[in-house]
Amino acid sequence: GQQLNQSPQSMFIQEGEDVSMNCTSSSIFNTWLWYKQDPGEGPVLLIALYKAGELTSNGRLTAQFGITRKDSFLNISASIPSDVGIYFCAGQIDNAGNMLTFGGGTRLMVKP
Amino acid sequence: NAGVTQTPKFQVLKTGQSMTLQCAQDMNHNSMYWYRQDPGMGLRLIYYSASEGTTDKGEVPNGYNVSRLNKREFSLRLESAAPSQTSVYFCASSEPGLGTEAFFGQGTRLTVV
Repeated sequence: GQQLNQSPQSMFIQEGEDVSMNCTSSSIFNTWLWYKQDPGEGPVLLIALYKAGELTSNGRLTAQFGITRKDSFLNISASIPSDVGIYFCAGQIDNAGNMLTFGGGTRLMVKP
Repeated sequence: NAGVTQTPKFQVLKTGQSMTLQCAQDMNHNSMYWYRQDPGMGLRLIYYSASEGTTDKGEVPNGYNVSRLNKREFSLRLESAAPSQTSVYFCASSEPGLGTEAFFGQGTRLTVV
């Protein structure tokens, strides 16, 4: 099946820093989505990308759908403590099941 | 706003025991899904139901069965639990279509000893 390689697996952030994470795949996806999961909760959608090359922002978040349709990145600018959590990329192909394939997640933690 | 509700939130089973995880959504979505989440592996699809009356296997269906009881409810059954099924289970629902948001429940943390 399809696999999404997400990196980094974890990172420490200091308030005010910019953060970047990405996903790559050996398969083409028609839609890329970025989710955030807070402790004890299910993932919540942050950004959805529908076209190759598309660059979309949501507040301090910016995500891009790679030209090859095999990759995507998410940037968080001027991080704040509530940005802590696990971020997942997910790819979706055009099928009736509407299934999502998830990356392994990037865990953001706060530097002590 | 209930959204997607899963029960129970926590469960400990002995190897070989059976149990059913319940999921209900109140958003009138056609599609529902069961995922499991393991450290470093993201969420992996176990089974999905594209619409009421249909179910299909996902990436990791072995050891599980599902029932789409009606449009609102989609249950996941472990007939004979194994330690490898220790995981956090998430139910989700969505409308069909590319890029439509999947809404997730809060998860069921299952430990099989």
